[in-house]
Amino acid sequence: QQPVQSPQAVILREGEDAVINCSSSKALYSVHWYRQKHGEAPVFLMILLKGGEQKGHDKISASFNEKKQQSSLYLTASQLSYSGTYFCGTEIAGYSTLTFGKGTMLLVSP
Amino acid sequence: GAVVSQHPSRVICKSGTSVKIECRSLDFQATTMFWYRQFPKQSLMLMATSNEGSKATYEQGVEKDKFLINHASLTLSTLTVTSAHPEDSSFYICSARPAGQHSYEQYFGPGTRLTVT
Repeated sequence: QQPVQSPQAVILREGEDAVINCSSSKALYSVHWYRQKHGEAPVFLMILLKGGEQKGHDKISASFNEKKQQSSLYLTASQLSYSGTYFCGTEIAGYSTLTFGKGTMLLVSP
Repeated sequence: GAVVSQHPSRVICKSGTSVKIECRSLDFQATTMFWYRQFPKQSLMLMATSNEGSKATYEQGVEKDKFLINHASLTLSTLTVTSAHPEDSSFYICSARPAGQHSYEQYFGPGTRLTVT
């Protein structure tokens, strides 16, 4: 079953923060986050495994609440390069297939 | 590291012809590769999972005789769209999962835009 992402779209000014949520009705093994720019392939951002962890690099971080089957992606002090569509992909078992959400379009303006 | 290439990047073909798309992991071995299809402004829809040396596993609703997948080596998988029709026009993206324990992530190729006229 497809995970639900919210919001559908976000418009920010450079330097502002954003949170993108991903929730599933099924118990999850992992959540994967990707960013895709128009006409390009998705770029891997990070993966969070069950156990309720947080990860981050630079100004992009994420959390995974195993009990709620929810993950959130945090973008702080956004840069123009952050613009794109963010997808979460969920796995219900290790080494299985990913089911992607519908995506959240993020636009960062100067 | 973790680079995946796809060839061709764009292809235009006539209705009824077949098109082959190659997906290669350039700097790692991938026991599993995945093929996705993406329509404009929509999500990635998994078509099939390809394991090296074995038959591909197709998702429900995907015709295996139309979308032939071959995973000949640990670095190469091919998708052949047979007897293509205009409704097959789409963005096809492959991804590869590195071989080995604790490798859960998938790395995507740049995609192939197929237009069937």
